[in-house]
Amino acid sequence: GQSLEQPSEVTAVEGAIVQINCTYQTSGFYGLSWYQQHDGGAPTFLSYNALDGLEETGRFSSFLSRSDSYGYLLLQELQMKDSASYFCAVRGGATNKLIFGTGTLLAVQP
Amino acid sequence: GAGVSQTPSNKVTEKGKYVELRCDPISGHTALYWYRQSLGQGPEFLIYFQGTGAADDSGLPNDRFFAVRPEGSVSTLKIQRTERGDSAVYLCASSLGRNTEAFFGQGTRLTVV
Repeated sequence: GQSLEQPSEVTAVEGAIVQINCTYQTSGFYGLSWYQQHDGGAPTFLSYNALDGLEETGRFSSFLSRSDSYGYLLLQELQMKDSASYFCAVRGGATNKLIFGTGTLLAVQP
Repeated sequence: GAGVSQTPSNKVTEKGKYVELRCDPISGHTALYWYRQSLGQGPEFLIYFQGTGAADDSGLPNDRFFAVRPEGSVSTLKIQRTERGDSAVYLCASSLGRNTEAFFGQGTRLTVV
C-alpha cells in the first residue's frame, strides 16, 4: 500500500521561513505533490517533484529525495494568508493513483 | 468549464437513504478522482477513473459505494443505504493526464442524520 507521514501542526511568525517534511512509503513511485487547503476550501496544487532536487515557485520550494523516500515544502517570507493545511501527496502503486497525507496545519502568527 | 464543478454543495439525508453526488470535471481532463475528507484529515482516496473505466476502485469502503463515468466526462458517486459514518465532504478532482496536476472541486458536504 501507500502511506505518508507529516507533522500535524507547525507554528511560525510572519516573515519567517518554515519547512514541512513528508516521508512516504509506496510500491512504485511517480512523484510527490504538495497541496494547500484553506479552512472550508478545496485543496489547490502548489508543486510537483518527479525527480530528486529542489523545485522553486516564487516563495514556495519543494524538495525530493527518492532514495530517502522524503520530501519537504519550504515556505519563505511567510504571510498571514499562508495559514492553512498543507498536504503532501504521492503518485504510486500499480495504478498511479494519488494518495494524500494527513496534512500539516500551519499557523502564521504576527 | 472553468473549473471542477460538484453538485450539490450540501446534502442532508436520512440514514438508510440513497444519494447521488455529481462531478463535472474540467473539459478535456481524462483522469477523475473521488476523495472523502473528514474534519482535520487528509483527502481519503475512493476511486480513480481514466476515461470511462475505473482504473482503481480500491478505496471504496464497501459495496454501498459505487461510481460511474459513462461518457468519460461527468461522474456520479452513488451511496446506498447511507449511514451516519458516511458524513463527510466528498471531493472530486480531475487532471489532464496521469502525472499532471489535479484540480479539485469545492466538494459536496454530505450529512446523514
